Amino acid sequence: GIQVEQSPPDLILQEGANSTLRCNFSDSVNNLQWFHQNPWGQLINLFYIPSGTKQNGRLSATTVATERYSLLYISSSQTTDSGVYFCAVRHSGYALNFGKGTSLLVTP
Amino acid sequence: EPEVTQTPSHQVTQMGQEVILRCVPISNHLYFYWYRQILGQKVEFLVSFYNNEISEKSEIFDDQFSVERPDGSNFTLKIRSTKLEDSAMYFCATVPGQDNEQFFGPGTRLTVL
Repeated sequence: GIQVEQSPPDLILQEGANSTLRCNFSDSVNNLQWFHQNPWGQLINLFYIPSGTKQNGRLSATTVATERYSLLYISSSQTTDSGVYFCAVRHSGYALNFGKGTSLLVTP
Repeated sequence: EPEVTQTPSHQVTQMGQEVILRCVPISNHLYFYWYRQILGQKVEFLVSFYNNEISEKSEIFDDQFSVERPDGSNFTLKIRSTKLEDSAMYFCATVPGQDNEQFFGPGTRLTVL
């Protein structure tokens, strides 16, 4: 099946800093989504971005499908950004395949 | 904004007991999914359901698991005889069409003692 690799696995930032999270995948994709898992375990949809660039407030994402990677940018980070960020892709069939996530801690 | 809802939010059960997890999809969504996440691990696909039948399932989805849409609104996941290793967060997801964004519910945390 398709492989999804996320980096870095862990990240600690001071409030106000910027960061870039990366997602590499091993095959072409029909769907790519970024999620934020909050401390209560809920998966929050951030972006649906099989290709191109999108922005939502302090967050933006870019997927370069031909080179099989996606980037999630977080600017001016806040403590509420802490949590785990997952990239998930769909190559064929119905299932989303998740990466192992990037665990982000933003300190005051 | 329409949301996927799941009940219960947390369920504690004894090993060997049957549990039913419930999901109410967003109306007009046609594809339904169950995923699970064991504590500290990544989210794993269990099963997809379309047109009242299973369209795809993973190796995890063995004979202990079943899904149905009993009343045209709820979408349920049944675990017949729970094991300790079934302890996990279970997420329901729905989507209007196969190639669209999947919307996840808040999850049910299942604890098997």
